[in-house]
Amino acid sequence: AQTVTQSQPEMSVQEAETVTLSCTYDTSENNYYLFWYKQPPSRQMILVIRQEAYKQQNATENRFSVNFQKAAKSFSLKISDSQLGDTAMYFCAFANDYKLSFGAGTTVTVRA
Amino acid sequence: DVKVTQSSRYLVKRTGEKVFLECVQDMDHENMFWYRQDPGLGLRLIYFSYDVKMKEKGDIPEGYSVSREKKERFSLILESASTNQTSMYLCASSPPFGQRNTDTQYFGPGTRLTVL
Repeated sequence: AQTVTQSQPEMSVQEAETVTLSCTYDTSENNYYLFWYKQPPSRQMILVIRQEAYKQQNATENRFSVNFQKAAKSFSLKISDSQLGDTAMYFCAFANDYKLSFGAGTTVTVRA
Repeated sequence: DVKVTQSSRYLVKRTGEKVFLECVQDMDHENMFWYRQDPGLGLRLIYFSYDVKMKEKGDIPEGYSVSREKKERFSLILESASTNQTSMYLCASSPPFGQRNTDTQYFGPGTRLTVL
């Protein structure tokens, strides 16, 4: 199984500010996919953003963007203009051959 | 939108009981997955299925089995529940191979299982 590391167990951010979550992974594959999933307190896991490894351009979805550094095997998530509804646990995940490997998660709390 | 449902949000069972967790998806996905989620460990794959009656072990299959008799339904079975199987269980499905986004999984709401 691939290894995915999220080194920040918890992060706190003021509403309207920006927060960046880090993720590193270990693989010998060249073609793969990376994801950030969000799990709010209601527990439904929601896909936030998806990055294809062969694309150099960083993926963006509204206020969410990634910094994908393939050589460094790094895949960070930036949440801009944080909102109270962004409070959740965020999981970084690696996919190759349709199986996902997840990091341990980062709990993000947005303060009013 | 893809909808993945799980039969129970909360479940309490006793040690030694046989436990069935059901998952249903409505998007004709070929691939279905069962994970368990524990604090500090993220999600770990128990089993997955890529077609009816087909299954493969994930990273932590011990103590679990699965059943996929129909394409839309994937069941996780704990033959004899133990306290160390107390966890959150998440089901997921993904589009068929060859389709765009086959790697993207869609999750159900989860079942919090407590084994006493």
